[in-house]
Amino acid sequence: QKEVEQDPGPLSVPEGAIVSLNCTYSNSAFQYFMWYRQYSRKGPELLMYTYSSGNKEDGRFTAQVDKSSKYISLFIRDSQPSDSATYLCAMSTTSGTYKYIFGTGTRLKVLA
Amino acid sequence: EAGVAQSPRYKIIEKRQSVAFWCNPISGHATLYWYQQILGQGPKLLIQFQNNGVVDDSQLPKDRFSAERLKGVDSTLKIQPAKLEDSAVYLCASTLNPAEGYGYTFGSGTRLTVV
Repeated sequence: QKEVEQDPGPLSVPEGAIVSLNCTYSNSAFQYFMWYRQYSRKGPELLMYTYSSGNKEDGRFTAQVDKSSKYISLFIRDSQPSDSATYLCAMSTTSGTYKYIFGTGTRLKVLA
Repeated sequence: EAGVAQSPRYKIIEKRQSVAFWCNPISGHATLYWYQQILGQGPKLLIQFQNNGVVDDSQLPKDRFSAERLKGVDSTLKIQPAKLEDSAVYLCASTLNPAEGYGYTFGSGTRLTVV
């Protein structure tokens, strides 16, 4: 079993839709949870990070962490064609080297 | 603030040849990472530096890959000899303090094609 699992998609939605992206994980020691967006031929850019459980909102983006289920989500409201990208989840512990373990990424296409 | 700089952007080499990639992290970022991202997969850590010391190189194929970070700033990653399965994007990232969960800043990567 991989430490982090992510549905690779692709996911196609119409403009204005609410998008839900998800990751599951197996390591209960993970405490930092990140979402990165990666446009084609670009490096990943940090969208949001959350420490431990709970929700975090930033504009149209909401990140949720459910540690009891080992499940994290990213919601995108009022999706735009410019949101079309690959979304990567990443996680790390709070000890040792703090290295990130990434999911495989979900490709999202928002249709105008 | 300037981002993480990487060069070259693209490289095509034949198998068994050698290649080197360069990374200049964000000024002041003590921690530097090299990741390998194969098409359709998430980034996989190759090596992590703290200043000019290696923190984690457990997934670096040391028979062919090497990396250094002299003076704790710029870093180079070398592959010698290259194999077809090394075709990937090599991403460099840096962060101020990984323990504070600020997240990494990635460069745009070097896309390597081995033919």
